[in-house]
Amino acid sequence: GAGVSQTPSNKVTEKGKYVELRCDPISGHTALYWYRQSLGQGPEFLIYFQGTGAADDSGLPNDRFFAVRPEGSVSTLKIQRTERGDSAVYLCASSLVGQGGTGELFFGEGSRLTVL
Amino acid sequence: DAKTTQPNSMESNEEEPVHLPCNHSTISGTDYIHWYRQLPSQGPEYVIHGLTSNVNNRMASLAIAEDRKSSTLILHRATLRDAAVYYCILRWSQGNLIFGKGTKLSVKP
Repeated sequence: GAGVSQTPSNKVTEKGKYVELRCDPISGHTALYWYRQSLGQGPEFLIYFQGTGAADDSGLPNDRFFAVRPEGSVSTLKIQRTERGDSAVYLCASSLVGQGGTGELFFGEGSRLTVL
Repeated sequence: DAKTTQPNSMESNEEEPVHLPCNHSTISGTDYIHWYRQLPSQGPEYVIHGLTSNVNNRMASLAIAEDRKSSTLILHRATLRDAAVYYCILRWSQGNLIFGKGTKLSVKP
């Protein structure tokens, strides 16, 4: 499809397990963002990639969270030793940077993570 | 990051105009005003953005106060499909979008 694709759409795991969430951005989009959203809250910024490098990872809550984008396209968000508080919808977005610096973000539908 | 203030919720009747307010008194000269909305069980979607002048597109209009300390998103004729959470966000150049809690818009038939 033409939009941002996120897999899996739903993931249930047990406390302490390792989880990977994948994001396929829109082809040609250089910028990629990860957010997470808890019920009733707005999306919370986690990390932003420009190409292959993390331009801003200030939103990652702790060192259990890590994200990569090795070829400047697909990105994987990795969560180690999951905790119940990690349960949320993880949203990925991509954009073209360079359109006056105000390129709109296109969001995927999210990956719902439930940690039991 | 400069912050925005929005009402928690608003109601509208179908086919009537809706004016969604946003206050951003600490806006800086390089901040753009962006609006996104999030329908139930979906990711946010872009609505409109502007810097100083009022803006119109197929989805909505954005009215920006002369001092830029407030703005209003205008939906000209609300439909049931416009029921969503609307986020007003200040964004500098190529910076991140920092979301607040937004305004939950309900549309009554």
